[in-house]
Amino acid sequence: EAGVAQSPRYKIIEKRQSVAFWCNPISGHATLYWYQQILGQGPKLLIQFQNNGVVDDSQLPKDRFSAERLKGVDSTLKIQPAKLEDSAVYLCASSLLQGNTEAFFGQGTRLTVV
Amino acid sequence: GESVGLHLPTLSVQEGDNSIINCAYSNSASDYFIWYKQESGKGPQFIIDIRSNMDKRQGQRVTVLLNKTVKHLSLQIAATQPGDSAVYFCAENRGNQFYFGTGTSLTVIP
Repeated sequence: EAGVAQSPRYKIIEKRQSVAFWCNPISGHATLYWYQQILGQGPKLLIQFQNNGVVDDSQLPKDRFSAERLKGVDSTLKIQPAKLEDSAVYLCASSLLQGNTEAFFGQGTRLTVV
Repeated sequence: GESVGLHLPTLSVQEGDNSIINCAYSNSASDYFIWYKQESGKGPQFIIDIRSNMDKRQGQRVTVLLNKTVKHLSLQIAATQPGDSAVYFCAENRGNQFYFGTGTSLTVIP
């Protein structure tokens, strides 16, 4: 089965610019997650979707970050405007069900803000 | 905030030896734990999971032990191979969310 697809793989932008990341989860997976992984740290959940609805976005910096999953499949994560501290790998993951089931991760998008 | 922590940030083992990676958690409400392996430039990859009603679970060359009394989780890798070199994360599931620890970097010495 195809895995979680993310694009782009790498992105370099200047601070105050905007950027968008795209994720295509595994087919049939209702739950989609966006994580931020800063170098040397574990992934931190930004937002969780169940189908096209937001389950939790308590750790999403909503003044600059936004995410959507309009049709309950693909998702985009946007940062506008970017700050230097947003430099990180942005990981998308999906799982069949919410809760106690394995989450499958994409390769991530490495963002560098200069 | 994070409640999952790892005892050691780095671990070096000789090829063929067994590896033990430890993880402590603080929330008794966690009912599901997963170990992930993350190689450089890749996303975390599922290794093995365990539910809170279990003490031990075995996979291929890996064993996870859960001690709920002391809130401790360990991953044992038998006959460690160079391909096992990676960062290992334990993650706990609480309220339908996964919380990750900082990770332990495992280096296998040939």
